Amino acid sequence: DAGVIQSPRHEVTEMGQEVTLRCKPISGHNSLFWYRQTMMRGLELLIYFNNNVPIDDSGMPEDRFSAKMPNASFSTLKIQPSEPRDSAVYFCASGDRVSDTQYFGPGTRLTVL
Amino acid sequence: GNSVTQMEGPVTLSEEAFLTINCTYTATGYPSLFWYVQYPGEGLQLLLKATKADDKGSNKGFEATYRKETTSFHLEKGSVQVSDSAVYFCALSGPGGANSKLTFGKGITLSVRP
Repeated sequence: DAGVIQSPRHEVTEMGQEVTLRCKPISGHNSLFWYRQTMMRGLELLIYFNNNVPIDDSGMPEDRFSAKMPNASFSTLKIQPSEPRDSAVYFCASGDRVSDTQYFGPGTRLTVL
Repeated sequence: GNSVTQMEGPVTLSEEAFLTINCTYTATGYPSLFWYVQYPGEGLQLLLKATKADDKGSNKGFEATYRKETTSFHLEKGSVQVSDSAVYFCALSGPGGANSKLTFGKGITLSVRP
């Protein structure tokens, strides 16, 4: 299996622009998580889905952030408009109920200028 | 709520030294406990896990034992290598296991010098 796939791996954009991050979870996993990693705040959960349904979005910073999971093999995290404080590494992870483990993608490093 | 506390870093060791990284937790119920490792420029990889009290997780020479009485899950390795240089995160799962939120510690950077 290719593991969790994220794109793009790096994104540089200007303040005010829309940013869309993409994730393809491991086939057969039924949960998907979006985390953000910064030096100041460490790893934070933004939102997660079970069976494509959002379960907990309490970590989403504000209305500028939105996430969707239209089917079991694809999710997006959108930031509109982006701000410099959104600069971080964004990880997607998929959860396997059988092994009781979350598997992380390589991350998207976002820089907002 | 759930929380994970890791010892302050960074940690620098010489090759073949003994490693201990402390991790304690606060949780309701009976969470699973994990150690993840992050190599430079990469995502997090599961290093080992334990799902119930007194379980010992092990992988690549690393070990950690789920101690309910001390709410701890300390990571140990008898002889570290330069290739072990990375950031190590302790984490616990919510009641839903892999289908629920992971709560992470702040992470600790390990540097191993030849």
